[in-house]
Amino acid sequence: AQTVTQSQPEMSVQEAETVTLSCTYDTSESDYYLFWYKQPPSRQMILVIRQEAYKQQNATENRFSVNFQKAAKSFSLKISDSQLGDAAMYFCAYRSAFRNNAGNMLTFGGGTRLMVKP
Amino acid sequence: GAGVSQTPSNKVTEKGKYVELRCDPISGHTALYWYRQSLGQGPEFLIYFQGTGAADDSGLPNDRFFAVRPEGSVSTLKIQRTERGDSAVYLCASSLRGQGASGNTIYFGEGSWLTVV
Repeated sequence: AQTVTQSQPEMSVQEAETVTLSCTYDTSESDYYLFWYKQPPSRQMILVIRQEAYKQQNATENRFSVNFQKAAKSFSLKISDSQLGDAAMYFCAYRSAFRNNAGNMLTFGGGTRLMVKP
Repeated sequence: GAGVSQTPSNKVTEKGKYVELRCDPISGHTALYWYRQSLGQGPEFLIYFQGTGAADDSGLPNDRFFAVRPEGSVSTLKIQRTERGDSAVYLCASSLRGQGASGNTIYFGEGSWLTVV
């Protein structure tokens, strides 16, 4: 079974600065997807960014980018020019690319609470 | 609808009671998922529907939990003989196709916060 670990329960960043959230995962599969979700107090999980394991190029979405290290099974999220609205829980998630039961579920890490200081 | 809608937003019930949580997915989405998020943890998969059928219910913790989607749209998660350990946020999500499809985006609702006292 796959596992996802987020070792930072809380992180803090000054507004306009850059912060990196860590995520490691364990899998024996070669093809999969990785995601970062944001969960504000409203509880809705919002997709921030996704990465296909077969792509070597790191995904980027505006101020959000990832550092995907497949051999190390590491998938960190970098938030540049942090804004007050970025404050939330951030979850790293894994999904198998195979069309079987494992491909039907997202496996989430325990989350990192990001605080943004004005 | 514009997004995934879940009702009730909050529910307090007594231990041993029966509870139903409703999910209205985005119109046209054939795939629907239920997750459970305990306090301070990440969401855990419960069940996945493709159309009307439960394609994967491997995450349901025990036989007190059951979910239906009779017409392939709205889904109801049913919990019998609730226990204090069932207290959690129950998140529903939907996607245009099944989760096994590449390029699929999953949209989450705001969850139903269940408290069993």
